[in-house]
Amino acid sequence: KNEVEQSPQNLTAQEGEFITINCSYSVGISALHWLQQHPGGGIVSLFMLSSGKKKHGRLIATINIQEKHSSLHITASHPRDSAVYICADPSAGATNKLIFGTGTLLAVQP
Amino acid sequence: DTGVSQDPRHKITKRGQNVTFRCDPISEHNRLYWYRQTLGQGPEFLTYFQNEAQLEKSRLLSDRFSAERPKGSFSTLEIQRTEQGDSAMYLCASSLVPGVRETQYFGPGTRLLVL
Repeated sequence: KNEVEQSPQNLTAQEGEFITINCSYSVGISALHWLQQHPGGGIVSLFMLSSGKKKHGRLIATINIQEKHSSLHITASHPRDSAVYICADPSAGATNKLIFGTGTLLAVQP
Repeated sequence: DTGVSQDPRHKITKRGQNVTFRCDPISEHNRLYWYRQTLGQGPEFLTYFQNEAQLEKSRLLSDRFSAERPKGSFSTLEIQRTEQGDSAMYLCASSLVPGVRETQYFGPGTRLLVL
């Protein structure tokens, strides 16, 4: 069974802090996704990575294939980073449907 | 290209009524997925299409649910005889396969409230 677990479930930070969100997954066939969901529902894809590290602005995603673990880091956090961050693992087989974690609710306070 | 769009964005209905949601994918994308997200949970897979063919349906998709993608472009998701447990965010995503790495692009979602 493909399972995706995230931690922490909730995170409150002060503006400027370095933030880390963790994701463990069980299948790991192709690539792990990190997604951002703002209040109101819209989901934006942040990263898709299958090895190493990717960086986009203040966001950094890393993955350890052997340990089936990924982390999302936010440097110099800002209140506009407040959102739900979700990792998702494509399922095995041709479907490529995403198996989602329950998400991490991040609140960055000014 | 304006991305994936969904209509309506919000729907309030009474128990027992039928509702239909529409998803317009990115124009050249051949795959279209429907997911459902209940409060406090991550999205869960419902069904997906490759062009006009519906290739997989989740066990979450009871016989009250039906999805179509008649011309391989937009898709509709209909829920008949709605129940309060159907209240959720319904998300649509599209992608292009084969690709180097399949990336699913999500729409804004349709939030359904069944009273």
